Amino acid sequence: DAMVIQNPRYQVTQFGKPVTLSCSQTLNHNVMYWYQQKSSQAPKLLFHYYDKDFNNEADTPDNFQSRRPNTSFCFLDIRSPGLGDAAMYLCATSRASRSTDTQYFGPGTRLTVL
Amino acid sequence: DAKTTQPTSMDCAEGRAANLPCNHSTISGNEYVYWYRQIHSQGPQYIIHGLKNNETNEMASLIITEDRKSSTLILPHATLRDTAVYYCARPGYGQNFVFGPGTRLSVLP
Repeated sequence: DAMVIQNPRYQVTQFGKPVTLSCSQTLNHNVMYWYQQKSSQAPKLLFHYYDKDFNNEADTPDNFQSRRPNTSFCFLDIRSPGLGDAAMYLCATSRASRSTDTQYFGPGTRLTVL
Repeated sequence: DAKTTQPTSMDCAEGRAANLPCNHSTISGNEYVYWYRQIHSQGPQYIIHGLKNNETNEMASLIITEDRKSSTLILPHATLRDTAVYYCARPGYGQNFVFGPGTRLSVLP
């Protein structure tokens, strides 16, 4: 089945130690998104790629970076994780750039910062 | 999104219809309304979306008011597996998807 895959499902890192989360998709969608979801809150968009074009949300901290080496893969890099970065990180994809296109989410990676 | 409001929580008896409201008073004329649900520790799952007309699929029905300032998601025969947080969402600027605060639906046996 076509899907959005996130690895790992659970990630533990130490305060200040860089961490990378990965996302892959078999849907061949143009757009890939990264959301941060803290406990009991709605998902919040960090940034997205439309093909190779990177689009950062205005309030996304510089500590968060992303890479998309090809259509199928997208990575979220947290350069120096703080305790406040502990959250669920969700990857999503959509077919095209129009905002009416449905977004399909992966299962998420839950990040713990010690 | 402060401009989208949803009840914090709702209960529904198993087998009965669950009606989940969302107010999106600032939605513009060409913005779709989306509904997702999120079961604990999983990613959001798409349910349905609509623009003006009422919509139905195998999961749910969506009723949108004529002025488009609110919508209601209807699960016609709720089951225990429908217990989840239900988000209405709408496009922001660009490709941004802005989620409402979510309603925690508890389906009770």
